[in-house]
Amino acid sequence: SAVISQKPSRDICQRGTSLTIQCQVDSQVTMMFWYRQQPGQSLTLIATANQGSEATYESGFVIDKFPISRPNLTFSTLTVSNMSPEDSSIYLCSVAGLAGVRTDTQYFGPGTRLTVL
Amino acid sequence: AQKITQTQPGMFVQEKEAVTLDCTYDTSDQSYGLFWYKQPSSGEMIFLIYQGSYDEQNATEGRYSLNFQKARKSANLVISASQLGDSAMYFCAMRDPLMGGSNYKLTFGKGTLLTVNP
Repeated sequence: SAVISQKPSRDICQRGTSLTIQCQVDSQVTMMFWYRQQPGQSLTLIATANQGSEATYESGFVIDKFPISRPNLTFSTLTVSNMSPEDSSIYLCSVAGLAGVRTDTQYFGPGTRLTVL
Repeated sequence: AQKITQTQPGMFVQEKEAVTLDCTYDTSDQSYGLFWYKQPSSGEMIFLIYQGSYDEQNATEGRYSLNFQKARKSANLVISASQLGDSAMYFCAMRDPLMGGSNYKLTFGKGTLLTVNP
């Protein structure tokens, strides 16, 4: 597997503000994903971060609310825009396509625990 | 679309005993993959084990094994010799093709909270 880091690990934000979460991998990967885990719930995919092009969003998630960048094969950012208390969640990035492992196995970063007041 | 069902919100097990966490799935695909992840209270998701639909043997990884019953569409996780550090949420997941079909997202079940008692 790879070493995946996320910044920040946690944050407390005021409603109406925006937060950008960074995901860094120590090796090149084919796929990067962003998931949301609301309190006491399972994980839901927000979008697939595509290198050099616009992210692909799942139903119920839009670019204006969750803009995503992926400038290269090891880094991606997720911004949570115009936050409300309903955005309080753990946000996790995951990667797939690591060298030497199954291409469909995803490895996750440590997560960013966001609280919106 | 794929669907994963985990019917046990919580499970308790005594230290050093074995425990089975249930997972059933629904898919129309002939080729599919099933995963189990562990999520401690810290929040990280740890990959545990994988089972492919065409794998003839049940997957094993150390103390983790997968009881794969294809006809019943079940992929139960068995943890042997439970340890206190096994206390965590456990999620069953299935790969779900993305548009274009060559890459996959994961569809997760609701999870089972396992508590290991000393």
